[in-house]
Amino acid sequence: NAGVTQTPKFQVLKTGQSMTLQCAQDMNHNSMYWYRQDPGMGLRLIYYSASEGTTDKGEVPNGYNVSRLNKREFSLRLESAAPSQTSVYFCASNAGLDQPQHFGDGTRLSIL
Amino acid sequence: GENVEQHPSTLSVQEGDSAVIKCTYSDSASNYFPWYKQELGKRPQLIIDIRSNVGEKKDQRIAVTLNKTAKHFSLHITETQPEDSAVYFCAASKGSGYSTLTFGKGTMLLVSP
Repeated sequence: NAGVTQTPKFQVLKTGQSMTLQCAQDMNHNSMYWYRQDPGMGLRLIYYSASEGTTDKGEVPNGYNVSRLNKREFSLRLESAAPSQTSVYFCASNAGLDQPQHFGDGTRLSIL
Repeated sequence: GENVEQHPSTLSVQEGDSAVIKCTYSDSASNYFPWYKQELGKRPQLIIDIRSNVGEKKDQRIAVTLNKTAKHFSLHITETQPEDSAVYFCAASKGSGYSTLTFGKGTMLLVSP
């Protein structure tokens, strides 16, 4: 049972490049989330998907798009990367309302 | 929206001492309060959570207390060990309809042998 799997684990991009971060969970969870973690800022919600077929903006959605591909997979896309998007990105999932969230190992993204 | 304040930002204790981390929240409708532990370079992991119908919850050396009137909740770790060294995050969410977690900025706990 892998839980929440994120790929890639590390990535370096140049300003203006695009990329997609992948997330998959094997716990049959309904809800999935994307967070970014910056030093001293805690975890900030970028986008979430309450259930398959729905997505909503979180606290810091600008510069990102998401796709809930199916119940298992939720991807995060940076269309034109900027240095301010250098961060550690975590995907999480849970069964639903007020249930514990389970996190992936994170993607460390640097944009030069 | 919800705002969660967490104090202190860093906490240093000697092995065997107790550690207390405090959080306040702004939305009186919040009723779910989890705590996560994150070791360096690792994922956040849930260590304990509490819901608003409970004032205190304990799991071995860790406990969480909730004061809904004052809108604050605290994490208590007793008999601290070096392996307790990590960053701890509190969070809050509402129970009505679909809700998301709002996290505090974290507390770095250092336990010296």
